[in-house]
Amino acid sequence: DTEVTQTPKHLVMGMTNKKSLKCEQHMGHRAMYWYKQKAKKPPELMFVYSYEKLSINESVPSRFSPECPNSSLLNLHLHALQPEDSALYLCASSQGSRAPGELFFGEGSRLTVL
Amino acid sequence: TQLLEQSPQFLSIQEGENLTVYCNSSSVFSSLQWYRQEPGEGPVLLVTVVTGGEVKKLKRLTFQFGDARKDSSLHITAAQPGDTGLYLCAGVPSGTYKYIFGTGTRLKVLA
Repeated sequence: DTEVTQTPKHLVMGMTNKKSLKCEQHMGHRAMYWYKQKAKKPPELMFVYSYEKLSINESVPSRFSPECPNSSLLNLHLHALQPEDSALYLCASSQGSRAPGELFFGEGSRLTVL
Repeated sequence: TQLLEQSPQFLSIQEGENLTVYCNSSSVFSSLQWYRQEPGEGPVLLVTVVTGGEVKKLKRLTFQFGDARKDSSLHITAAQPGDTGLYLCAGVPSGTYKYIFGTGTRLKVLA
């Protein structure tokens, strides 16, 4: 069982909807990540939070808005998405972000934008 | 620019065969991780290699880190259908703070 929990597992939304993806970890990790993965491709980094502060934003469109309410939680707020944003969204955590070593991933949230 | 290139991209083999997957970069890595990902799930960590020249074994899987810490390989002996999945190497290139993934190798083992 993964120690990083993501909800929902599946999400279908229209282009005008507002929804959120949630991620939770209780391993005491201080870095949390959002990755986007298209079919048959490797994960692509979107955001990194280190000690609850946004440390890396990989030029992600503003229709994706991350939030880190505390060290255990990470949200990704979605608004006015496009069909090409359909993908598997993966959350991960690590002990640190500078030399993270091992990342622990959730099972992902499969997003479909209609 | 993709800093971690994996080869082959796709491999389909019969049960019982051996295979090697390569992960190459022009950058130095302080460590490299290997993950396996099954469809619809997140990547699962297999191993971390840290020291140049290091060899680690995990049952039928053997991982090696290049002497210069720029490349790594994964060798699977007597592959089984349960080994099927996407294999990813990953790490932080020297001089950056971004944890990146390799291009991936999709393995299919046929019974």
